[in-house]
Amino acid sequence: NAGVTQTPKFQVLKTGQSMTLQCAQDMNHNSMYWYRQDPGMGLRLIYYSASEGTTDKGEVPNGYNVSRLNKREFSLRLESAAPSQTSVYFCASTEGGGSYEQYFGPGTRLTVT
Amino acid sequence: GENVEQHPSTLSVQEGDSAVIKCTYSDSASNYFPWYKQELGKGPQLIIDIRSNVGEKKDQRIAVTLNKTAKHFSLHITETQPEDSAVYFCAASRSSSNTGKLIFGQGTTLQVKP
Repeated sequence: NAGVTQTPKFQVLKTGQSMTLQCAQDMNHNSMYWYRQDPGMGLRLIYYSASEGTTDKGEVPNGYNVSRLNKREFSLRLESAAPSQTSVYFCASTEGGGSYEQYFGPGTRLTVT
Repeated sequence: GENVEQHPSTLSVQEGDSAVIKCTYSDSASNYFPWYKQELGKGPQLIIDIRSNVGEKKDQRIAVTLNKTAKHFSLHITETQPEDSAVYFCAASRSSSNTGKLIFGQGTTLQVKP
């Protein structure tokens, strides 16, 4: 089992460019999450998908969109990148249905210049 | 909404000493409290969790305590080792929400000096 995988590992964008961060899990988990990690701010939830076919906003959704492509994959899109979106992005998944341990991917380090 | 405060932001201890990290939460309906460890360049990994029906849980050198009345919980690491050096995050969740959402604290960078 690879667990949770994320691509790319690193990315540099110019202001206004768009990109999609990919996430996939092979644990047959129901719920998936996107977080951003900034120094001194902890992990903040951007969007989540409690089950296949549903998505909901988290604490900091502005400037992002998501797609739950199927049960395995959950992508995060930045339509017009801004320097404030420079961060490390983590995808996570959990089995759901009473099991709460979240499994995290290795992260994507994004820099917007 | 739910808020989780974590202290201290950095902690430096000598190898063999104990380390304590504290968190407070605002939502009295929260009933699940995990702790995650994040090593450099990696994603966070669950190390221990506690539910609101117990006051303390221990796993070898790590333990977590929960005070529901005061709405705070703590991570205790005894006999610290250099490999304990990492960033630690507390989190809180309402299991009844069925979304699995976690609200994280700001993180504590623990340095264990050999």
